[in-house]
Amino acid sequence: DAGVTQSPTHLIKTRGQQVTLRCSPKSGHDTVSWYQQALGQGPQFIFQYYEEEERQRGNFPDRFSGHQFPNYSSELNVNALLLGDSALYLCASSLRAREAFFGQGTRLTVV
Amino acid sequence: RKEVEQDPGPFNVPEGATVAFNCTYSNSASQSFFWYRQDCRKEPKLLMSVYSSGNEDGRFTAQLNRASQYISLLIRDSKLSDSATYLCVVNSETSYDKVIFGPGTSLSVIP
Repeated sequence: DAGVTQSPTHLIKTRGQQVTLRCSPKSGHDTVSWYQQALGQGPQFIFQYYEEEERQRGNFPDRFSGHQFPNYSSELNVNALLLGDSALYLCASSLRAREAFFGQGTRLTVV
Repeated sequence: RKEVEQDPGPFNVPEGATVAFNCTYSNSASQSFFWYRQDCRKEPKLLMSVYSSGNEDGRFTAQLNRASQYISLLIRDSKLSDSATYLCVVNSETSYDKVIFGPGTSLSVIP
C-alpha cells in the first residue's frame, strides 16, 4: 500500500513565477491537507480539501490555491512567488479527522 | 495567544534520562490530539494519539488534561534515536476539520 506521495521532491523557481505541487493520498483516504513549513518552524496549515472542495483555510493569501480531483489527489498552486515562499510544502491525507499521514514533502526554493 | 503552544526547547538530555514535553491549546472545542515526530529534513510521522484516559506505548506516555487544555508527552529511558522534533497537533472537529500544529520542541539525546 503506497503511502502519501508528493511531486516533485525539489523545485527551484524565480520570484514572480507560478508553481504547481502534486499530492496523491494514502489509499482509502479522502481528505487532503497542505502545509508550509519554514526552516526551524512547525508546519503551518494552508488549506484542506474534501469531496473536491476547500473546507478550511489557514492564514495564507489568495496566491495560494488548490484543487482536489475525483480520485482524491490534490494540487497546490502558488502564483507570483515571493522569496518568502521558500519552504518545505507538506501534503497530508486522512480519513476525516483521524490521524494524518504525510508525504515526504516538496522543497521549494524561490530565487 | 497562539492556538497551540509548546515548550520552546531545545532539550538536551543524556541517554537513559526521562524527558517531558508540554503543549497547551486555546480552543476548548478541540476533540482530537496527537503527537508527531519529525526528523531533520523529513516529514512528520505520527508518534501517538492522545486519549482522555491517557495512553502508553512502550517508553512513551501521553496525557490529556481537558480542564487545563494541556497535553503532555513523557519519554522514559531516552535513546539516541529519540533525537528529533516533537510536534503537538490538535484537531477541532467542528463541521469541518482543521488541524493545528504546534511549533515543535527539539530533543537531542546525548551519549
